Amino acid sequence: DADVTQTPRNRITKTGKRIMLECSQTKGHDRMYWYRQDPGLGLQLIYYSFDVKDINKGEISDGYSVSRQAQAKFSLSLESAIPNQTALYFCATSDGRGEQYFGPGTRLTVT
Amino acid sequence: GESVGLHLPTLSVQEGDNSIINCAYSNSASDYFIWYKQESGKGPQFIIDIRSNMDKRQGQRVTVLLNKTVKHLSLQIAATQPGDSAVYFCAEILNSGYALNFGKGTSLLVTP
Repeated sequence: DADVTQTPRNRITKTGKRIMLECSQTKGHDRMYWYRQDPGLGLQLIYYSFDVKDINKGEISDGYSVSRQAQAKFSLSLESAIPNQTALYFCATSDGRGEQYFGPGTRLTVT
Repeated sequence: GESVGLHLPTLSVQEGDNSIINCAYSNSASDYFIWYKQESGKGPQFIIDIRSNMDKRQGQRVTVLLNKTVKHLSLQIAATQPGDSAVYFCAEILNSGYALNFGKGTSLLVTP
């Protein structure tokens, strides 16, 4: 079984809709992250959390919010989706020593 | 601002040849670097890492070289195989350790 899972894997939604992407991990890591990847580009950090009570903005947090429901769960919400939020979204976890473990990604299309 | 970047956006090699993927970084405070491989439709996968107190680290068929003087990082893949075809990203972690700063990636295409 995968250590980091994301749901849904694919989603098409309309402009203005609220959407939630979910991430779960079984690695027992305290740190979790949400990244966005646009075609042909690297990953950009949206939000990160070092534990359940710690939430921090990344470099591109505008238009997004997150919730750390438990150590193993970290969800990303788009309050009012817009077309330029069409991208691949990756969740990652870390034990804080460096390496991050990534989920399979969610492909989001906003029409 | 400071960033991690790659010299070559695409690299095509023949099966069996060695591949070298380069990466430049500009933040001298970075103390940990990782190479990730991303296959189509998948999340990035860890390949190898290196800390700033090292110049070289070897894994299975891969070697990472770090030149702090010129702020350059490279990934060498020996006897490249078709399964190595993917996008390769270098990433740096600053002393704060809170997140990775990714470069744009190099697409490696291995031809038979």
